[in-house]
Amino acid sequence: NAGVTQTPKFQVLKTGQSMTLQCAQDMNHNSMYWYRQDPGMGLRLIYYSASEGTTDKGEVPNGYNVSRLNKREFSLRLESAAPSQTSVYFCASSAQGSTEAFFGQGTRLTVV
Amino acid sequence: AQTVTQSQPEMSVQEAETVTLSCTYDTSENNYYLFWYKQPPSRQMILVIRQEAYKQQNATENRFSVNFQKAAKSFSLKISDSQLGDTAMYFCAFPGGSNYKLTFGKGTLLTVNP
Repeated sequence: NAGVTQTPKFQVLKTGQSMTLQCAQDMNHNSMYWYRQDPGMGLRLIYYSASEGTTDKGEVPNGYNVSRLNKREFSLRLESAAPSQTSVYFCASSAQGSTEAFFGQGTRLTVV
Repeated sequence: AQTVTQSQPEMSVQEAETVTLSCTYDTSENNYYLFWYKQPPSRQMILVIRQEAYKQQNATENRFSVNFQKAAKSFSLKISDSQLGDTAMYFCAFPGGSNYKLTFGKGTLLTVNP
């Protein structure tokens, strides 16, 4: 049982490059989330999707876009990467009505 | 908006001793869950314990227990018989709003010393 799978695990980008972080879950969860984790800041919500076909901004959405491709997949796109987006990114999912979130292993992104 | 506050950025404890990590939160909701997550150096987020607000009894999972004070909006985590493997960052989390999105505290880095 894979749970939540994120790819890639590590990535280095140059300023201005674009990339997409992929996330897939096999638990039939309705809700999916993208967080970023920075030292001393905890995990901050970037975007979330309460159900297939819907997405909403979280606390820190600027510079990011998301796509809920289907019930399983929720991708995060950086159109023009900036050094301020250097962070560890986590994807998570939860069942509707159940608030326990299951996390992927994270992606460490460095923008130089 | 929901807020979660962890006032202890770092703590340390000797192996086999007991330590308590504090968390306060703010909400206008009446029924909700609260969570403690552990993040070891591997970076994986691991659910340690959950508490349902409508339950009077404090949750317990082996060496981990909570002290939930609903009126005070306080949710502390007690770790008994601390082990070296308990060394990790601990996050208090609260899912609020109609879509239950999790809001996290800034974390407490716990170090268990031999």
